[in-house]
Amino acid sequence: DQQVKQNSPSLSVQEGRISILNCDYTNSMFDYFLWYKKYPAEGPTFLISISSIKDKNEDGRFTVFLNKSAKHLSLHIVPSQPGDSAVYFCAATGGATNKLIFGTGTLLAVQP
Amino acid sequence: GAVVSQHPSWVICKSGTSVKIECRSLDFQATTMFWYRQFPKQSLMLMATSNEGSKATYEQGVEKDKFLINHASLTLSTLTVTSAHPEDSSFYICSAPLGPGNTIYFGEGSWLTVV
Repeated sequence: DQQVKQNSPSLSVQEGRISILNCDYTNSMFDYFLWYKKYPAEGPTFLISISSIKDKNEDGRFTVFLNKSAKHLSLHIVPSQPGDSAVYFCAATGGATNKLIFGTGTLLAVQP
Repeated sequence: GAVVSQHPSWVICKSGTSVKIECRSLDFQATTMFWYRQFPKQSLMLMATSNEGSKATYEQGVEKDKFLINHASLTLSTLTVTSAHPEDSSFYICSAPLGPGNTIYFGEGSWLTVV
């Protein structure tokens, strides 16, 4: 049972344009969501997070939007840069533990 | 800089031997650490929650006798893959929560190849 889903396995965007990565979840107990960036054979790097009490969190070029009623969150990167090319994972947690449940990842390719 | 460090970064071992991977929290104490594994082009799958001073909590389907976890101090958790087989070859990653909201930070990962 995939509780966190990223339905787009890959995304290609031109440099300078906006990248939008989507994530859906099914577990209503999730109350904290995170986005990670990952290069091959490296550990994930934390990007940005959002609590369920908010619907938007912004940090530089990265903005995460949360739609609780739709159980959907998205990561916006603007402007996109070639160095942003990586696999992006969304993750969710909630309840009594800090266990993170990851989505399947979206490979972002930013074309120069 | 890194807040969670793993060692070794990569290891090759013979089938049937055991391999230990260390996960250290740098400059902070972690009563809880998490171990994940990732197969190529797949998501990160939580294997177990490592609890300082008590037994680890394993996810369904993860063999606790095969993947031994020891969290002997507040800054160190170890994962030992016992009697490793080629199908255990994978990328193993540890993590620990830190800071407001307990944001979880990951180690660099350890690539295990069993031949």
